[in-house]
Amino acid sequence: DSGVTQTPKHLITATGQRVTLRCSPRSGDLSVYWYQQSLDQGLQFLIQYYNGEERAKGNILERFSAQQFPDLHSELNLSSLELGDSALYFCASSVGFDEQFFGPGTRLTVL
Amino acid sequence: DQQVKQNSPSLSVQEGRISILNCDYTNSMFDYFLWYKKYPAEGPTFLISISSIKDKNEDGRFTVFLNKSAKHLSLHIVPSQPGDSAVYFCAATWANSKLTFGKGITLSVRP
Repeated sequence: DSGVTQTPKHLITATGQRVTLRCSPRSGDLSVYWYQQSLDQGLQFLIQYYNGEERAKGNILERFSAQQFPDLHSELNLSSLELGDSALYFCASSVGFDEQFFGPGTRLTVL
Repeated sequence: DQQVKQNSPSLSVQEGRISILNCDYTNSMFDYFLWYKKYPAEGPTFLISISSIKDKNEDGRFTVFLNKSAKHLSLHIVPSQPGDSAVYFCAATWANSKLTFGKGITLSVRP
């Protein structure tokens, strides 16, 4: 158990809909990262927050947004969903910026 | 542009033998490299890392070698055990920036 929790574990929705994925980092970790893993793809970095502020952005679509709240939990919002958004979404946390601890992931299926 | 490449999608080895997992990178700014292991239905877990000031780092059965001139690193697992069967991701970072992951390699250790 990495100490990082993600909810929900599975999410099935329809195209055009909007969903919110939630992540609680390990106690004491200030950095939260979001990754997308599609079929046959590695982990694609989406976005990083550090103590409530956006720190780095990766291959995140404009339809996606994230935030980190004062209690350090984070939410990833995916809107106008398309079939291609079906993937595993991982959250990770770290104290600094190197070793990251990953949550179990949320499997999103868009039908 | 894939900056971290794991060119072999899979590797199968006999229990007790050595597993060698390879990773190449293109960005010469990378100065810290990590290996993560991932079991099905779980998030990746940190395995071992190496800084660019070293060429080898060892932790039990796991050793990572770094060849900076060739922009190549490898993970050696000796002896391999069936429980090592998983997907292994190579990752790289620099100046405390985001992690860039490879696509992963599936290791199967045959009893």
